[in-house]
Amino acid sequence: EPEVTQTPSHQVTQMGQEVILRCVPISNHLYFYWYRQILGQKVEFLVSFYNNEISEKSEIFDDQFSVERPDGSNFTLKIRSTKLEDSAMYFCASSGNLAGRATDTQYFGPGTRLTVL
Amino acid sequence: GQNIDQPTEMTATEGAIVQINCTYQTSGFNGLFWYQQHAGEAPTFLSYNVLDGLEEKGRFSSFLSRSKGYSYLLLKELQMKDSASYLCAVNGNEKLTFGTGTRLTIIP
Repeated sequence: EPEVTQTPSHQVTQMGQEVILRCVPISNHLYFYWYRQILGQKVEFLVSFYNNEISEKSEIFDDQFSVERPDGSNFTLKIRSTKLEDSAMYFCASSGNLAGRATDTQYFGPGTRLTVL
Repeated sequence: GQNIDQPTEMTATEGAIVQINCTYQTSGFNGLFWYQQHAGEAPTFLSYNVLDGLEEKGRFSSFLSRSKGYSYLLLKELQMKDSASYLCAVNGNEKLTFGTGTRLTIIP
């Protein structure tokens, strides 16, 4: 069964450093998402991406964040200058194998645990 | 704005039935999802309702009333492995808004 994969599973970084979190969505999906979950809190939407551009983003997704689909398979989240409060689990998700179906089920990857020291 | 409420914790007995409720007030609605999340793991899809009524999927069923802004997840024949958090999430087109999750503990 196809699944979303993410690397690395755990990333430790120093405050102020840049990190890139990587995701490989399900191959025939068209919509890609990043969510985060701070320990003990709810899952929060960061950004959605369709047709090579951001389609929606939350207030969390400020200028420190960017997303990219550098090739036909990878989808990345970059945090330019990490802060202590960026420590969280970051989940990638994908949905929709038919154009225009942003309401399809979103399937989540296993997550990257980011620890900022 | 978006507001999704569900109980924080529930306990149920192995073999029994449990119902987890979710109420929502959202600015957009394109369906309601239930996900299961074990500690330290990703949410995994359980069920999806976009029309009013009951959707049944094995031991799991989910109900939706759009006019009342209400859904529930029903788990039957509970097993110890069902101990997890259950997340209610509303699809507002292109993003999911999650509730805080209900931590379900199954006791023997």
